[in-house]
Amino acid sequence: QPVLTQSSSASASLGSSVKLTCTLSSGHTTYIIAWHQQQPGKAPRYLMKLEGSGSYNKGSGVPDRFSGSSTGAARYLTISNLQSEDEADYYCETWDSNSQIFGGGTKLTVL
Amino acid sequence: EVQLVQSGAEVKKPGESLRISCKGSGYNFNTFWISWVRQMPGKGLEWMGRIDPTDSYTNLSPSLQGHVTISVDKSINTAYLQWSSLKASDTAMYYCGRYSGYDLVDYWGQGTLVTVSS
Repeated sequence: QPVLTQSSSASASLGSSVKLTCTLSSGHTTYIIAWHQQQPGKAPRYLMKLEGSGSYNKGSGVPDRFSGSSTGAARYLTISNLQSEDEADYYCETWDSNSQIFGGGTKLTVL
Repeated sequence: EVQLVQSGAEVKKPGESLRISCKGSGYNFNTFWISWVRQMPGKGLEWMGRIDPTDSYTNLSPSLQGHVTISVDKSINTAYLQWSSLKASDTAMYYCGRYSGYDLVDYWGQGTLVTVSS
């Protein structure tokens, strides 16, 4: 089964950009993942599906400021022009062998 | 508009039973699997299991087999998560999610808080 590794925390300034990383374990580097955002006290929200090719499809209503990219085993979520409401936990997710797998999540602080 | 609406918060005692629900609307409920995800206080997302509304086939996380049951009533577009004997360690927020065609969740319910305390 794949393991999804995320940094526990990240920070960036209001109006700047940040790139969050989700790394797939060896042998699973072609997997499709999803990115989800969880603002404090709220349910998760689906942001996008991201393929190993870097192709991504965003969910309904997700702002243009959110984009995805991939390099090898790494799946990236880039947020441009950071807003205060982007302060949240971000989780990556994938599926394998009858089991859903989540990364540990990255807590993003907007300074 | 796709929506998953979950039942309200519950407060239970250890040993009690409980069933929480997740009602789908705005799409063909039979076409997409439903998952259940647990989030313990201050922790990340943990997959519990999923169900195919078409035939009620389920996949459960090995760590939870025997402790929870997932079921569905497709006549009312509703999936359920059920415990026969709650433990204090079941205290958590529970989310249902709809799977896209890529076995990834693309819509989430608003969550149901379950508190188990004597």
